[in-house]
Amino acid sequence: QITLKESGPSLVKPTQTLTLTCTFSGFSLSTDGVNVAWIRQPPGKALEWLALIYWDDDDRYSPSLRSRLTITKDTSKNQVVLTMTNMDPVDTATYYCAHRHRDTPSTYWGQGTLVTVSS
Amino acid sequence: QLVLTQSPSASASLGASVRFTCTLTGGYRNHAIAWHQQHPEKGPRYLMTVNSDGSHYKGDGIPDRFSGSTSGAERYLTISSLQSDDEAVYYCQTWAAAFWVFGGGTKLTVL
Repeated sequence: QITLKESGPSLVKPTQTLTLTCTFSGFSLSTDGVNVAWIRQPPGKALEWLALIYWDDDDRYSPSLRSRLTITKDTSKNQVVLTMTNMDPVDTATYYCAHRHRDTPSTYWGQGTLVTVSS
Repeated sequence: QLVLTQSPSASASLGASVRFTCTLTGGYRNHAIAWHQQHPEKGPRYLMTVNSDGSHYKGDGIPDRFSGSTSGAERYLTISSLQSDDEAVYYCQTWAAAFWVFGGGTKLTVL
């Protein structure tokens, strides 16, 4: 059974760097075809894709946020980490991680973690 | 540029059927898409993947009332025998080697 869970600070100050961790079970990020994504959702708004990391360490970013994002993985810990620099109140959102495999149709979501950016 | 277009809202009566549309633009009409359901204050739930040939694959535990289909660049999610618990926002999503994309979501009101 695939599960994912996001963790990190619930409150950050403007200009700070946010670090979020996605801890997962039920799959390995060293398996060919696996990828894990980060998605966010501001209150009352739609889902927005942020970043993607592949089993082979390849990574991709939303063009509009590329300069602020870094996604990494620790296969031994079953974790994916997202860092976002220079946080602003408009970055207040629930942040989700999700799993896909290239060869299977399903998507598995974490429960999300709410991050508020405020001084 | 790949864009997924959804109507912002829909409504239907209890026991009726409703169909959601997700339109692929930007030359990606042959892409598969996924549908996700999101209840208020909850995280998204994967419903199904709909392929360009109209076939679809449903996630674990998704009732038979939910089905998917395709016409050209449009991908559909149909819910029959509507229940009050179907009231939610429905998002379509697709992916390519370099990115994921979400539609803006359709909020379903069950009357």
